[in-house]
Amino acid sequence: QSVLTQPPSASGTPGQRVTISCSGSNSDIGSHSVYWYQHLPGTAPKLLIYRNYQRPSGVPDRFSGSKSGTSASLAISGLRSEDEAHYYCAAWDNSLGVWVFGGGTKLTVL
Amino acid sequence: QVQLVQSGAEVKNPGASVKVSCQASGYTFSVYYIHWLRQAPGKGLEWLGWINPNSGGTRYAQKFHGRVTMTRDTSINTAYMDLSRLTSDDTAVYYCAKDGYCTTTNCPGIGENWFDPWGQGTLVTVSS
Repeated sequence: QSVLTQPPSASGTPGQRVTISCSGSNSDIGSHSVYWYQHLPGTAPKLLIYRNYQRPSGVPDRFSGSKSGTSASLAISGLRSEDEAHYYCAAWDNSLGVWVFGGGTKLTVL
Repeated sequence: QVQLVQSGAEVKNPGASVKVSCQASGYTFSVYYIHWLRQAPGKGLEWLGWINPNSGGTRYAQKFHGRVTMTRDTSINTAYMDLSRLTSDDTAVYYCAKDGYCTTTNCPGIGENWFDPWGQGTLVTVSS
């Protein structure tokens, strides 16, 4: 079982806005920044959001992150077919002394 | 551009060891930490630990203590992850990733760093 909780799936039509949630605890999300990674099958995972809401260069501003307390969310607006992928949240866990991840959310663009 | 290229797929018997390599290019290898992670089939991502390519210092996840060894060869910009006493539960895609923030001379705190970029992954299959 993953330490961080994400919905296993999400979907939307092109142009729509979807959000993916990530729930944790005081020892992980509640104490540290949240990171989001995009993973397309057969490729290397890619950093999408760092330090809760920052976007690396090259990541479209359609992707946005937020955090409140022990939860975080990833929002994707103007959904496109190439956004179809698995999305993972991550945070450092003080108590466990490891990076912890969500189980991943498979996004389907209908 | 920054790139991490990993070694090819491996098939191992239970009880054996596997060594996965990760060759870096496009930046100064000794400056940034290298992490190792894995993803078992149908499961989430799991962090194994990290190595300081400058000093060789390591930090391992408690779960893998005594079974994992991370090393590096700075002459060829390559990091290695050795996992011993393999079981079927170790069947997974193993990834190396460059730390996107922490340098070997300045790391304000773990948890404020990230993994970027990642290697392409190495499938390790443990089966008799």
